[in-house]
Amino acid sequence: EPEVTQTPSHQVTQMGQEVILRCVPISNHLYFYWYRQILGQKVEFLVSFYNNEISEKSEIFDDQFSVERPDGSNFTLKIRSTKLEDSAMYFCASIGTAENIQYFGAGTRLSVL
Amino acid sequence: RKEVEQDPGPFNVPEGATVAFNCTYSNSASQSFFWYRQDCRKEPKLLMSVYSSGNEDGRFTAQLNRASQYISLLIRDSKLSDSATYLCVVNDGATNKLIFGTGTLLAVQP
Repeated sequence: EPEVTQTPSHQVTQMGQEVILRCVPISNHLYFYWYRQILGQKVEFLVSFYNNEISEKSEIFDDQFSVERPDGSNFTLKIRSTKLEDSAMYFCASIGTAENIQYFGAGTRLSVL
Repeated sequence: RKEVEQDPGPFNVPEGATVAFNCTYSNSASQSFFWYRQDCRKEPKLLMSVYSSGNEDGRFTAQLNRASQYISLLIRDSKLSDSATYLCVVNDGATNKLIFGTGTLLAVQP
C-alpha cells in the first residue's frame, strides 16, 4: 500500500537553529499538507500546498516557516529559527484528485532544547 | 464556539460494550466529515468517512446530522484493540484542510 514517508522520525535541535523536516508524499498525489500536534493537544493545520505554491496557511505558519517542493518527490517544511514552543509532532499529509481522503505520514517529533 | 468539539473522555468500557462518541462542528459549509483513530504518539489513521445517509463498517457506525451540525460514531462489541483516541475531523472546503477535534480517549478494559 502506498504511504507518506517522513524523515527524520525524531529531530533534536537547539533553540535558534534551523531545521528541515522532510516528507515524500504518495507518488500520484497533488495536494500536500503540514500539520503539527503539541503533546497533549489537538492536531493543527499549518499549511496546504498545490501546484508549487501555498494555497492556504494558518496563523501558526508565520515568517519563520517555509515549505518547498524541491523536486518531484520531496516536500519539506523549514523552520528558520526554532523556539521552545515549536516542539511538537509534525505530520505531513497528501491527497489525490480522485478522492478527498488525506493520508498521513508517521510524523517527525521535533524537540527544541 | 470551537470549530470541532468533542468530549475528551476518557471513556472506560469493558470488552464487548457498545460505546458512542459525539462531535459538533461550527462551519455549516463543511462538506466532508471523518473519524480518524490515533494511537499514542502515532499518526492519525482514517477510520471511516461519514455520510449524510449514515454508514457502517463492521462494528463501526457513523452518522451525520447536517441540520444540527452533529457527527457520531458508534462502536459495538468493543475489543481491547479499539483502545485509542478517536478524532472527529471536518474538511474545511476549498483547500481541503482538515480541522480536528481534540479527540476522545477510549480505554477498553479486559
